[in-house]
Amino acid sequence: RKEVEQDPGPFNVPEGATVAFNCTYSNSASQSFFWYRQDCRKEPKLLMSVYSSGNEDGRFTAQLNRASQYISLLIRDSKLSDSATYLCVVNMGTGRRALTFGSGTRLQVQP
Amino acid sequence: DARVTQTPRHKVTEMGQEVTMRCQPILGHNTVFWYRQTMMQGLELLAYFRNRAPLDDSGMPKDRFSAEMPDATLATLKIQPSEPRDSAVYFCASGLVLGQGSYEQYFGPGTRLTVT
Repeated sequence: RKEVEQDPGPFNVPEGATVAFNCTYSNSASQSFFWYRQDCRKEPKLLMSVYSSGNEDGRFTAQLNRASQYISLLIRDSKLSDSATYLCVVNMGTGRRALTFGSGTRLQVQP
Repeated sequence: DARVTQTPRHKVTEMGQEVTMRCQPILGHNTVFWYRQTMMQGLELLAYFRNRAPLDDSGMPKDRFSAEMPDATLATLKIQPSEPRDSAVYFCASGLVLGQGSYEQYFGPGTRLTVT
């Protein structure tokens, strides 16, 4: 089992739809979580941190579920420009494991 | 608008040649990371430095890869000799240490390496 798992997708949704992705992690002691966005042939960009109390930034909401060991990203009112791959990052421990990336979920928003 | 810069952006070289990639982190960031991304493997952490000291380089093939930070404004990743399987996009990221030993990272545009 991978330490950080994401559904690769693609998630094909129409403009205006609400879409949610999950990311599961294996280390129950993990403390830090992030969502990054990566456009095709570009670098990953930090989208938002995920706090225990959740985090909202405009149309984007991130949640943490410690009991079930997953984080989620909810995008409301999807725009064409939201089409990208969304990567979750989990602090899985020390050294290299401090920064474990999921393989990403691809979102395609269609007109 | 502070950014991480990387050079070269593209590199095509023949097997056996030395490749050097450079990264200028964001001023004030004390941690620098090197990643490799391929379609098959996704994003892999190769090495990272804090305050110019290597913290972990266990992700790098030691026989051919080396990473250094000669000063606070320059990080280098070297491959010698290069092999076709090294073809990938190499990203540098810089960041700040957060609580609980995690990092908020900002990525450079990457170096797209092709080894023929």
